[in-house]
Amino acid sequence: EVQLVESGGGLVQPGGSLRLSCAASGFTFRSYWMHWVRQGPGKGLVWVSRINSDGSLTTYADSVKGRFTISRDNAKNTLFLQMNSLRAEDTAVYYCAAGVNTPSGGYWGQGTLVTVSS
Amino acid sequence: DVVMTQSPLSLPVTLGQPASISCRSSQSLVHSDGNTYLNWFQQRPGQSPRRLIYKVSNRDSGVPDRFSGSGSGTDFTLKISRVEAEDVGVYYCMQGTHWPHTFGGGTKVEIK
Repeated sequence: EVQLVESGGGLVQPGGSLRLSCAASGFTFRSYWMHWVRQGPGKGLVWVSRINSDGSLTTYADSVKGRFTISRDNAKNTLFLQMNSLRAEDTAVYYCAAGVNTPSGGYWGQGTLVTVSS
Repeated sequence: DVVMTQSPLSLPVTLGQPASISCRSSQSLVHSDGNTYLNWFQQRPGQSPRRLIYKVSNRDSGVPDRFSGSGSGTDFTLKISRVEAEDVGVYYCMQGTHWPHTFGGGTKVEIK
């Protein structure tokens, strides 16, 4: 059974940092592009970042560029999102997703809530 | 960024009746590799998104055949042939051709 399990969310003050993790199982993690997508309270879905299968290529939405860093550990089947200089507008549920364009993919985690507030 | 425009915003449907959701992109979604990366997602209340359709018209494993996708270029449609109670939720189109990938604003399907 395919599983993506996010962790690391929580309450953080503006300007603070968090590191999200996404543990993958049930599929060949190292073969898939991985993504982070977020959903603000009562809002729609917004792409945050993506990383290719071997970690050599990363791209970011303009809103997080320079503040967030995506990475992966294929030996541990884990995806990360390091979030620095957090702002109130970063408050959202953060989902990891695998193979969004891939016929054998389309997997999503259950999400982890990040709240940025003083 | 590519803007994805969905309509309608809200779609009240009678059980057993068909439903149709439109999605239009601000530019062509045909990738240089020849594929069109237009996907449809369902998000049931309190759940994470679930992909239903990839590359315009391909159903994911386990997705009932009452769901179908069609379209080309900039104009796409998701159809539900006979709405069931479990179909209640928000439906999003998403383009994976251009970066950043972008979603439509969502269509809320509810039972009349």
